[in-house]
Amino acid sequence: ETGVTQTPRHLVMGMTNKKSLKCEQHLGHNAMYWYKQSAKKPLELMFVYNFKEQTENNSVPSRFSPECPNSSHLFLHLHTLQPEDSALYLCASSKEDGSSGANVLTFGAGSRLTVL
Amino acid sequence: GQNIDQPTEMTATEGAIVQINCTYQTSGFNGLFWYQQHAGEAPTFLSYNVLDGLEEKGRFSSFLSRSKGYSYLLLKELQMKDSASYLCAVRDGDYKLSFGAGTTVTVRA
Repeated sequence: ETGVTQTPRHLVMGMTNKKSLKCEQHLGHNAMYWYKQSAKKPLELMFVYNFKEQTENNSVPSRFSPECPNSSHLFLHLHTLQPEDSALYLCASSKEDGSSGANVLTFGAGSRLTVL
Repeated sequence: GQNIDQPTEMTATEGAIVQINCTYQTSGFNGLFWYQQHAGEAPTFLSYNVLDGLEEKGRFSSFLSRSKGYSYLLLKELQMKDSASYLCAVRDGDYKLSFGAGTTVTVRA
C-alpha cells in the first residue's frame, strides 16, 4: 500500500456509459494528479490540483472531467469515451511546498480502463 | 516539448549488473527521478538527482550529468524481484515533470 488508493482497479465500459474513477490519499499531501499510461508510451499528465484548485489541464478532451472536493480526494468522471481511451489511469499525490526539493510523487496502483 | 529517451527492454541474469540509460532534452532542468513499476502495481520512487554525480542507495545507484543531458540507473546483484519497468522522469524549468516510456527489465535465473 502506497497511501494512495484508487477504485475501481478495473473498469469496462461502453462508449455511451458514464462512470467515475476515484482516488484517495492518506498522506497529508496537498497536490493530486491524474496520469494516463498507455502501453509503450510515456506517462501523460492529464490534470493537476493544488489545494483543491486545478492548476493544470494538459489539453485533455472534455469527455474527461476531473473533480477535487478536498485535498484528499480526486475523481475522474468519464463520459462518451472512445476505444483509444483504453489505458491505465494513475492517480498520484505530492507535498508541494514551493521549494526546489524533490517533491516526490506517490502513485496509486491505477485503474485499468477498457472502452468497448 | 520535452524529449526523454530510454531503451525499451533489457534482459540480464540473476546476480549480474544492469545499467539503464536515460537521455533528455528539456527546457530547463530541476531534477531527475527514477521510478520502479512492477506489472499491475503503482510506480514507486527510487532516486532523485539534481546535481552531477552518483547517488547510491544499497543495490541501486543513479548518476547524472547535466551538461550531457544524461542519467543512468545501475542495478547491482540483480534479483528476480527486480524484474519491472523503470521510468526516468525529468522536471523542467517550469517544474513540470515529464516521463520517458520506461525500460522493461527482465531478470533470468
